[in-house]
Amino acid sequence: GQQLNQSPQSMFIQEGEDVSMNCTSSSIFNTWLWYKQDPGEGPVLLIALYKAGELTSNGRLTAQFGITRKDSFLNISASIPSDVGIYFCAGQNTGNQFYFGTGTSLTVIP
Amino acid sequence: NAGVTQTPKFQVLKTGQSMTLQCAQDMNHEYMSWYRQDPGMGLRLIHYSVGAGITDQGEVPNGYNVSRSTTEDFPLRLLSAAPSQTSVYFCASSRDRGFGYEQYFGPGTRLTVT
Repeated sequence: GQQLNQSPQSMFIQEGEDVSMNCTSSSIFNTWLWYKQDPGEGPVLLIALYKAGELTSNGRLTAQFGITRKDSFLNISASIPSDVGIYFCAGQNTGNQFYFGTGTSLTVIP
Repeated sequence: NAGVTQTPKFQVLKTGQSMTLQCAQDMNHEYMSWYRQDPGMGLRLIHYSVGAGITDQGEVPNGYNVSRSTTEDFPLRLLSAAPSQTSVYFCASSRDRGFGYEQYFGPGTRLTVT
């Protein structure tokens, strides 16, 4: 199957700091999605990107669809304790399947 | 509007037993899918459906069956459970199979096979 490499695997940051994580693929995607998962819950959609080069914000979150269509990044500004969780990228190609990254675990230290 | 619901939330099976994980959505979504989530591996697609009566295999379909008799329901069947199927299972739905329609996930079913 498709491999999505997500980095970093984990992050420990101080409250108020900015966070950046990214996702790369060996093949082209038409859609990139970013999800957050809290313990014991299903992933919740944060941002969806549909076009190469697109930059989209959702509050303190900003995500970009890479020009090559093989990568995407997610930034979180001014982190707060409730940002703690696991962040997943997901990509969809011309087929019907979504492929997920392995996740970035974020810990925010108050 | 309940979104995507899954039952049960937890299940313990013995090797060789069969069971069905239920998934339902009330958003009139055409596309539904099942994923399993294992530690350090992200989510992997098991089966998906682009509409009632249509199903297809994902990355890891072996040991699982699905059917889609209605738009709302998409059950996942384990025919003969194995310890390798111990995992957290998520059902998801989205409006359309077309490009870029976001998936919404259920709360998950945590399955242990002993």
